Amino acid sequence: GNSVTQMEGPVTLSEEAFLTINCTYTATGYPSLFWYVQYPGEGLQLLLKATKADDKGSNKGFEATYRKETTSFHLEKGSVQVSDSAVYFCALPDGSGNTGKLIFGQGTTLQVKP
Amino acid sequence: DAGVTQSPTHLIKTRGQQVTLRCSPKSGHDTVSWYQQALGQGPQFIFQYYEEEERQRGNFPDRFSGHQFPNYSSELNVNALLLGDSALYLCASSPGNWNGAQYFGPGTRLTVL
Repeated sequence: GNSVTQMEGPVTLSEEAFLTINCTYTATGYPSLFWYVQYPGEGLQLLLKATKADDKGSNKGFEATYRKETTSFHLEKGSVQVSDSAVYFCALPDGSGNTGKLIFGQGTTLQVKP
Repeated sequence: DAGVTQSPTHLIKTRGQQVTLRCSPKSGHDTVSWYQQALGQGPQFIFQYYEEEERQRGNFPDRFSGHQFPNYSSELNVNALLLGDSALYLCASSPGNWNGAQYFGPGTRLTVL
């Protein structure tokens, strides 16, 4: 089945620093790719998605580009804020189609200090 | 428009007991998936319900069962609880014309003592 690997955390940055969280995947075909965010004590929120190769998903200043050549979907933000402190999960559907079953990475904790 | 709601928020049980968790999907969504998230881990897929039937199942034992009602709400039942069942249980919903994105509820924190 499909799988996803995220860089291990925690990642600690100062406010306004540049953020990169690496995500690589193994998949049959070209499934949609997702980044979810989990704030402390809450459930998961969809942060952004990309549905085909070379697509760039973006939201709230975060961006990620679907790279089929490197099978990657790295999350970036040019200037992080304290409010971005959360756990970030890379995810993709299992199987070759949109089956509704998501496979998640282990999560990367981001802590932003003032 | 209410999002995905789950109840209860927290639950404490003892080993061997049974538990039922509830989920109401986002308005307009007819598919419900359940995930288990152990502390410090990513969510693991338990199963998915569509049209009141279990459509897919992850690698979880038969102690985990579910149900979907005609109004698309869903229940997750866990029998013979083990200490290892302590986790955050997340419900996610999606529309029938699924495009990959799922919408998650806040979760139910289950502690098994």
